[in-house]
Amino acid sequence: EADIYQTPRYLVIGTGKKITLECSQTMGHDKMYWYQQDPGMELHLIHYSYGVNSTEKGDLSSESTVSRIRTEHFPLTLESARPSHTSQYLCASSESERGNGYTFGSGTRLTVV
Amino acid sequence: KNEVEQSPQNLTAQEGEFITINCSYSVGISALHWLQQHPGGGIVSLFMLSSGKKKHGRLIATINIQEKHSSLHITASHPRDSAVYICAPQTSGSRLTFGEGTQLTVNP
Repeated sequence: EADIYQTPRYLVIGTGKKITLECSQTMGHDKMYWYQQDPGMELHLIHYSYGVNSTEKGDLSSESTVSRIRTEHFPLTLESARPSHTSQYLCASSESERGNGYTFGSGTRLTVV
Repeated sequence: KNEVEQSPQNLTAQEGEFITINCSYSVGISALHWLQQHPGGGIVSLFMLSSGKKKHGRLIATINIQEKHSSLHITASHPRDSAVYICAPQTSGSRLTFGEGTQLTVNP
């Protein structure tokens, strides 16, 4: 079944560690997105990609970086995690502007201690 | 002023009640999404619409582009409908702008 997968689901990590949040989709969608969401708050776009080797920063400034080497894979990396990075990170993909809409991953709940 | 305003912010209903959640937006859009987020955090896309009305089971979504307003209706509500419902207008380039969400609780 076509879907979008995020790993890990939960991550608790110490300050200063490097982390990579994985996101993969099997639908062949050209557009992928990373959103950050604090508890009880709205989602904010932090990165997006419209295709291989194309990445852009979103509306909310983030110290994280992303890469898009393959269509199906859109990992997010924090070089040095800090407690202020504690949040939920949601990955999503979409086919086209007038396609069938968005598909969201289950999210990664990150806690930096 | 937020670009997307949802009302109400919180809604408690009894099982079987008809529910309406409203969304007003100020940005130009190519489409509008209604999303459902359960306590575990995962998000499900309910509707994507650019005009008129769509229906899926007990859920109905309408949009009035001229008035920049959309509504999500739930008929015969059920406790499993309890979730946060998010209105998300889609602007150019497929990007979404999000409302703060409506926390719906349906009591048995």
